[in-house]
Amino acid sequence: ELKVEQNPLFLSMQEGKNYTIYCNYSTTSDRLYWYRQDPGKSLESLFVLLSNGAVKQEGRLMASLDTKARLSTLHITAAVHDLSATYFCAVDINLSNYQLIWGAGTKLIIKP
Amino acid sequence: GAGVSQSPRYKVAKRGQDVALRCDPISGHVSLFWYQQALGQGPEFLTYFQNEAQLDKSGLPSDRFFAERPEGSVSTLKIQRTQQEDSAVYLCASSLEVAGYEQYFGPGTRLTVT
Repeated sequence: ELKVEQNPLFLSMQEGKNYTIYCNYSTTSDRLYWYRQDPGKSLESLFVLLSNGAVKQEGRLMASLDTKARLSTLHITAAVHDLSATYFCAVDINLSNYQLIWGAGTKLIIKP
Repeated sequence: GAGVSQSPRYKVAKRGQDVALRCDPISGHVSLFWYQQALGQGPEFLTYFQNEAQLDKSGLPSDRFFAERPEGSVSTLKIQRTQQEDSAVYLCASSLEVAGYEQYFGPGTRLTVT
């Protein structure tokens, strides 16, 4: 069975701290996506990782992909309250370019 | 520029009613996707269109679900004889390229079946 597992599913942290969200997947894939979702809002694309060893950074967020380990990480540096949201990873199965398998999401709360 | 829009944003239906959910993708986007998102879960793929052609409907949970995109732009997801288990948020996304990398999502339609 194809699975995408995120952990933790819930994370409460203080502003200024660093933390990492993990995304493990069970099938071969070299395309992985990170999205952000605010309550009641659309999913917003954060990163598209297209090859083994890919690393992308935007502001305080950095995402990486290890296709051999079937693992992606989303690292948060010096967290700020505005980063509070639910973060999803999604994996493109069979290199189909469209059918994505999604993790359950990590709800991140950053306290002032 | 306009993003993906969906209507209605909220829909309450009595069990057994038919509903129609509309998606207006970003103009010029070739690919269109429908997803179902249950509370506290990630989205689950329902169906995919390339222009007006429905290339994959493997995620539609039953034959009560039907989607169309007759002119290759606006799409409608129809659910017949709604059941309580159909309650979810239905998300539409579009992508510029044929099966392109980045999907742009609409705000979703929250369907509640009572």
